[in-house]
Amino acid sequence: SQQGEEDPQALSIQEGENATMNCSYKTSINNLQWYRQNSGRGLVHLILIRSNEREKHSGRLRVTLDTSKKSSSLLITASRAADTASYFCATLPRDSNYQLIWGAGTKLIIKP
Amino acid sequence: DADVTQTPRNRITKTGKRIMLECSQTKGHDRMYWYRQDPGLGLRLIYYSFDVKDINKGEISDGYSVSRQAQAKFSLSLESAIPNQTALYFCATGTSNEETQYFGPGTRLLVL
Repeated sequence: SQQGEEDPQALSIQEGENATMNCSYKTSINNLQWYRQNSGRGLVHLILIRSNEREKHSGRLRVTLDTSKKSSSLLITASRAADTASYFCATLPRDSNYQLIWGAGTKLIIKP
Repeated sequence: DADVTQTPRNRITKTGKRIMLECSQTKGHDRMYWYRQDPGLGLRLIYYSFDVKDINKGEISDGYSVSRQAQAKFSLSLESAIPNQTALYFCATGTSNEETQYFGPGTRLLVL
């Protein structure tokens, strides 16, 4: 069963614009992670936010977490063509033995 | 050299055949995971191992088996392949101290 659900499923924007993706989940979590997958390749970890954190930054990435709404957002500022990829959220449920639960992903296309 | 490698990268097989996918890592991580990815469904956990003597079933273990031959090696077998096992398979590693996972490049499997 999937815990995370990303929204939108697909997003197409112009280079230089900001991209926002959302993730909703169902159960209490220890942390929420975002990963990027370039077409057909392995996933790469981007950022982790813990349940007691509300916002985190890494370069052009900004992640927020609202545990009361069980949702998170990933903002990519000043998008570049190289940001074209699928983005997945993964949650570590509070009662989990380190099994991540994955969403279906958002496919982001940056148009030059 | 890549930290997590998977062989083969692509495989075509026939229904009923037994096949093995292999994963090796040089990261020194104790935890290893096998996932499958289907279009639009994100990642689903097949099996995971927290050390050489530890094997655990994931969400979708039926039709699969694994072997943890050494800390660095974790192989996935399809005992009798069927067409709905056509998917992209990923190996990942992690540690007990770090909650992120590190992925291999994937094996694209087609079962005819």
